[in-house]
Amino acid sequence: DTAVSQTPKYLVTQMGNDKSIKCEQNLGHDTMYWYKQDSKKFLKIMFSYNNKELIINETVPNRFSPKSPDKAHLNLHINSLELGDSAVYFCASSTLGQPQHFGDGTRLSIL
Amino acid sequence: EDKVVQSPLSLVVHEGDTVTLNCSYEVTNFRSLLWYKQEKKAPTFLFMLTSSGIEKKSGRLSSILDKKELFSILNITATQTGDSAIYLCAAYPSNTGKLIFGQGTTLQVKP
Repeated sequence: DTAVSQTPKYLVTQMGNDKSIKCEQNLGHDTMYWYKQDSKKFLKIMFSYNNKELIINETVPNRFSPKSPDKAHLNLHINSLELGDSAVYFCASSTLGQPQHFGDGTRLSIL
Repeated sequence: EDKVVQSPLSLVVHEGDTVTLNCSYEVTNFRSLLWYKQEKKAPTFLFMLTSSGIEKKSGRLSSILDKKELFSILNITATQTGDSAIYLCAAYPSNTGKLIFGQGTTLQVKP
């Protein structure tokens, strides 16, 4: 059983488009996260929700908007995609303060 | 600003060698340090360290934390080609859920 699953795995789209990535976890965790991993493999947190409440909101362009409909789901919507948005986006979940479990990532490529 | 620094950035060894990966941190209200292994997809959790001087071990991998000197090491003995991966170190400052990652060490184990 997949613990943290993201869809889609790959996303290839044009500059200026709007796209969404979905994440679901079946581990019963209360906290979910979005990370961006750049070409140098550096992982940086973007957002986190704890029990559907936004608790981490890093310096991210407001074209990025997370949404958590319930504790098991966290989606990421990106408006007006730019070349610099190309990266791998990872979803993760945990009990707050405990090890985070990561999904397999969504590789976003902007043409 | 909170930061985690890993060294070396990359390492090439031969099967059977022992390697030591380093991680130093400067983190406000430090709570714990975590190690992850990333192969092609999701980072997978290895260890979480909260107390100084207590070694955690899993098979050929072990890790220890020094809270006085603000660093941790990850040891891998009798390396195998399957150990080839990026090893990520991360620190939790306080209990906000915000993991600060280092830039990773890329390990290549040659047959």
